[in-house]
Amino acid sequence: ELKVEQNPLFLSMQEGKNYTIYCNYSTTSDRLYWYRQDPGKSLESLFVLLSNGAVKQEGRLMASLDTKARLSTLHITAAVHDLSATYFCADPPIIQGAQKLVFGQGTRLTINP
Amino acid sequence: EAGVVQSPRYKIIEKKQPVAFWCNPISGHNTLYWYLQNLGQGPELLIRYENEEAVDDSQLPKDRFSAERLKGVDSTLKIQPAELGDSAVYLCASSPGSIRGETQYFGPGTRLLVL
Repeated sequence: ELKVEQNPLFLSMQEGKNYTIYCNYSTTSDRLYWYRQDPGKSLESLFVLLSNGAVKQEGRLMASLDTKARLSTLHITAAVHDLSATYFCADPPIIQGAQKLVFGQGTRLTINP
Repeated sequence: EAGVVQSPRYKIIEKKQPVAFWCNPISGHNTLYWYLQNLGQGPELLIRYENEEAVDDSQLPKDRFSAERLKGVDSTLKIQPAELGDSAVYLCASSPGSIRGETQYFGPGTRLLVL
């Protein structure tokens, strides 16, 4: 069964703090995507991690991928209120004849002043 | 560059009524996806088109859902008849080609409420 699990599902944190969102996936995929979704809005692509050990950073967000552990992390440094959103990781499983993204449940992040 | 366009943005209907959603992908994108997003969940793929061909519709409930992508550009997703459990956000996405893992660009979605 194709499965992507995020942890935690809900996260409330203070501005200025650091935290990490974890994404475990069940397939042998060699890449992983992170998306952001604001309430009532669509999904915005944040990071595309294309190989084992890949690390990408954009502002206060940093994503990494460990394909051997089937784990990706999204690290938030010195959080600010603007980062409040729901974050999804998505796995493109290696299935012959298929091209799809399997999404996690999402992590709803709330950053309090 | 214009993004993925969807309409309507919101739709309220009574159960057993038909409903249709429209999607215009990013210009030049050959692959188009329809996803269903239930409240508090991640999107789930319903159907994927490569040009005008539906290449993966295994998750589409074919008894009541249908889709088409005439001329390989715009696409329409239809539900007939709608049920209460169909209330959700219907997202359209597109990508340039059919390479596995290519970034998918999402539209704003159509939020459906079935009463």
